[in-house]
Amino acid sequence: GAVVSQHPSRVICKSGTSVKIECRSLDFQATTMFWYRQFPKQSLMLMATSNEGSKATYEQGVEKDKFLINHASLTLSTLTVTSAHPEDSSFYICSASEGTSTDTQYFGPGTRLTVL
Amino acid sequence: EDKVVQSPLSLVVHEGDTVTLNCSYEVTNFRSLLWYKQEKKAPTFLFMLTSSGIEKKSGRLSSILDKKELFSILNITATQTGDSAVYLCAVVSNSGYALNFGKGTSLLVTP
Repeated sequence: GAVVSQHPSRVICKSGTSVKIECRSLDFQATTMFWYRQFPKQSLMLMATSNEGSKATYEQGVEKDKFLINHASLTLSTLTVTSAHPEDSSFYICSASEGTSTDTQYFGPGTRLTVL
Repeated sequence: EDKVVQSPLSLVVHEGDTVTLNCSYEVTNFRSLLWYKQEKKAPTFLFMLTSSGIEKKSGRLSSILDKKELFSILNITATQTGDSAVYLCAVVSNSGYALNFGKGTSLLVTP
């Protein structure tokens, strides 16, 4: 149980384009989903927290207009990187939590974004 | 500011050895501490600890939390090459549900 999928697993795009990444909880309802970013040999940095049906809460320094997050249902959250630039190239990982009674987050397999 | 410090940053051992990974934290209104294993992709959940002194065990892995001294350890006995990974420690405070990660311990188990 507690499986989280992400799509796509890898994407290469040109500078200036927008990229959408999907995160799905496959066998549970995710009240809360999180988006992280990880640079090589570094730990995960939280970008934003999203709750179903409400606006995402962004961490300090994360541009909400650049990283659009939508959490339209209890099983799906999307992250859209708008007008991507090479410095946005990174490993993006989502996680999902089953509810407010647990802190355990289950992670998706991640999306490797490369912006040329 | 909340802080999670893991040590050592990296470790190389031989198969069969026992290793102990450390995680210390300074968190306002601590609620829980979690351990994850990260291989090439995203982290996989190992343990969640909320109470002091209660050991959590899963096969060759075990973990315990000391809320007085503000640290946790993750033990791996009889290590195997498949244990090679980055082990991440994260804490959660009562202010929300976000995981605050340490930098991780990179473990390499050689045959």
